[in-house]
Amino acid sequence: EDQVTQSPEALRLQEGESSSLNCSYTVSGLRGLFWYRQDPGKGPEFLFTLYSAGEEKEKERLKATLTKKESFLHITAPKPEDSATYLCAVQAGRGAQKLVFGQGTRLTINP
Amino acid sequence: NAGVTQTPKFQVLKTGQSMTLQCAQDMNHEYMSWYRQDPGMGLRLIHYSVGAGITDQGEVPNGYNVSRSTTEDFPLRLLSAAPSQTSVYFCASRVGFSYNEQFFGPGTRLTVL
Repeated sequence: EDQVTQSPEALRLQEGESSSLNCSYTVSGLRGLFWYRQDPGKGPEFLFTLYSAGEEKEKERLKATLTKKESFLHITAPKPEDSATYLCAVQAGRGAQKLVFGQGTRLTINP
Repeated sequence: NAGVTQTPKFQVLKTGQSMTLQCAQDMNHEYMSWYRQDPGMGLRLIHYSVGAGITDQGEVPNGYNVSRSTTEDFPLRLLSAAPSQTSVYFCASRVGFSYNEQFFGPGTRLTVL
């Protein structure tokens, strides 16, 4: 069964303090790994898609990387507005019509 | 473009009542999906559609019905609400098979008493 596990569940950082969020996955036939940002009371917002090991994507202070077993979301010099829950999801298997989501990491950046 | 819209934003039902959660998108996307989000669990797929007139079950379909008569609309029906259906429901749409840039609506928070 496809599984996605995110760690830590919650992370509190000071403004400017860089860190990484982890997404470990067990799937058969990865078609894509996706990162979303979710603000309280809102729907998830797409950030990145990664397709193969070694791939990296960047957007402002965020960089997503992918290995054969996990993905990292690196946050460099975060600001309070980066506070949100970050969700990881995988699409797997031939003809797969669903994403398997992790539980999310709730990130808080203190000024 | 309004993107993906959902109504209502909040709803309280009594056990056994039925209701329809509305979802509409104005991006001409073929693929639409319904998810539920519960504390400590990831988003789980309820039903999805790959085009008008075509729907299929996701991971947790029991107690829910869908139909897709137009490209724009994808309503979710609760047939007989149960407390286990208390959750936040999200509708999403995307252009094609790949989940690249899937767009979510703002959600409906449903409480079943």
